[in-house]
Amino acid sequence: GAGVSQSPSNKVTEKGKDVELRCDPISGHTALYWYRQSLGQGLEFLIYFQGNSAPDKSGLPSDRFSAERTGGSVSTLTIQRTQQEDSAVYLCASSLVAGGAYNEQFFGPGTRLTVL
Amino acid sequence: SQQGEEDPQALSIQEGENATMNCSYKTSINNLQWYRQNSGRGLVHLILIRSNEREKHSGRLRVTLDTSKKSSSLLITASRAADTASYFCATDFHRSGRLAFGKGNQVVVIP
Repeated sequence: GAGVSQSPSNKVTEKGKDVELRCDPISGHTALYWYRQSLGQGLEFLIYFQGNSAPDKSGLPSDRFSAERTGGSVSTLTIQRTQQEDSAVYLCASSLVAGGAYNEQFFGPGTRLTVL
Repeated sequence: SQQGEEDPQALSIQEGENATMNCSYKTSINNLQWYRQNSGRGLVHLILIRSNEREKHSGRLRVTLDTSKKSSSLLITASRAADTASYFCATDFHRSGRLAFGKGNQVVVIP
């Protein structure tokens, strides 16, 4: 079956613009996670969805970041008024269930965001 | 915040040799997972070991987990040039299943 897909694969934007990043998880996976990877910070957790609700948003770095998930499937991460420090690779992962011993997460190819 | 810490952080070996890397963590976990990353893009899931397991095998991979020492090791046997990548350990320590990643371990396999 298809894996996790993300779009766009690359996004170049100007400082101050808004961007939307999309994630299509594996069909049937109830949990969805967003992470980002940058040279200085490594791999960081951003937000987690169980179904359409986001019980854990603790990793979002500022209120410029938001995310939603609809139909228990597709998720969109939105960054408003982008800053240069937002430049990173944004990774989405999904798993059959959230937490516990069986939480095997499968990652998409990522979106490389460059803010000029 | 980073929880895992891989050691060594860079490894260069000849094809056919074994590669071993270690990971330490700080809090109790539900499971520990190892991932491979090529060219700074998507992470490929390699293996998951649960907190009540001590050793797990998958093909040429062998993972051990010592919860008393809060450490894990990944062994790649009979390495191939295609194994050249960055390897990350990640711990699942939260009820949400969010993963805390180590800094990664760059492995170069020389043909």
